[in-house]
Amino acid sequence: AQSVAQPEDQVNVAEGNPLTVKCTYSVSGNPYLFWYVQYPNRGLQFLLKYITGDNLVKGSYGFEAEFNKSQTSFHLKKPSALVSDSALYFCAVRPNYGGSQGNLIFGKGTKLSVKP
Amino acid sequence: DTAVSQTPKYLVTQMGNDKSIKCEQNLGHDTMYWYKQDSKKFLKIMFSYNNKELIINETVPNRFSPKSPDKAHLNLHINSLELGDSAVYFCASSRTGQGRYNEQFFGPGTRLTVL
Repeated sequence: AQSVAQPEDQVNVAEGNPLTVKCTYSVSGNPYLFWYVQYPNRGLQFLLKYITGDNLVKGSYGFEAEFNKSQTSFHLKKPSALVSDSALYFCAVRPNYGGSQGNLIFGKGTKLSVKP
Repeated sequence: DTAVSQTPKYLVTQMGNDKSIKCEQNLGHDTMYWYKQDSKKFLKIMFSYNNKELIINETVPNRFSPKSPDKAHLNLHINSLELGDSAVYFCASSRTGQGRYNEQFFGPGTRLTVL
C-alpha cells in the first residue's frame, strides 16, 4: 500500500536552532513530493515541492527540503527556527501514475513547537 | 481576493439531517478536491473532480456526494449525517493536466459538528 510516514508526532526546537521534520514515503515510481503547513484553525498552506532536478528544494519562509531517493525520504529543514514557525506540518506525496489528476497522500502531520 | 473559499465556516447539526458545504475558487484551476480532517488531524482525500473525471475514494460512504455547477465550484452534500461525520472538511483546487504537477490551494475549512 502506498503511504507517507512522519515518524515524529511533535518536534521541539529552541528559537534560532536548526530544525528538521522527517518524512519518508512508500509509493511506486517516481513520486512528486510536497510539504504543507497548517496554522491553528486555518487551511493548509503550500511550502515547497519536489518534482525533478536538484534534490535540495527551497520554499517559502526559509524552509527547504532534501529529496533522497535511496532512503525514500523528503525531510523538511530550516537553518534557524522562529517562534512563528510553530504549526502542524504535513508531508504529501502524489504517486506518479501518469494521470492528470493530482491526488495527494498525506502523512499524519508533525507538530512543530519553537520555544523562545 | 480569497483564492479558495468555503461556507459555512462552522456547521452544527443533528444526526440524520442533510447538509451542504459550498466551495468556490477564483484561481482558474481545473481540478477541485474535498478532504476530511479528523480529530487527530489526519487528512484524507474524499474526492477529486475536474470537468472530465470524478475520482471517489472508495472508503467514502455514498451519503457524501460532490456537485459541481461549474468549474469554479465544488459543493459537498451529505445525507443522513452521522456522529462520525464530525470533522473539518477542506476544499482545495489545483491546475492539472498532462505534465502539470502543481500544488493544491486549500480553503479555510468547515468544522462540522454532528450532535
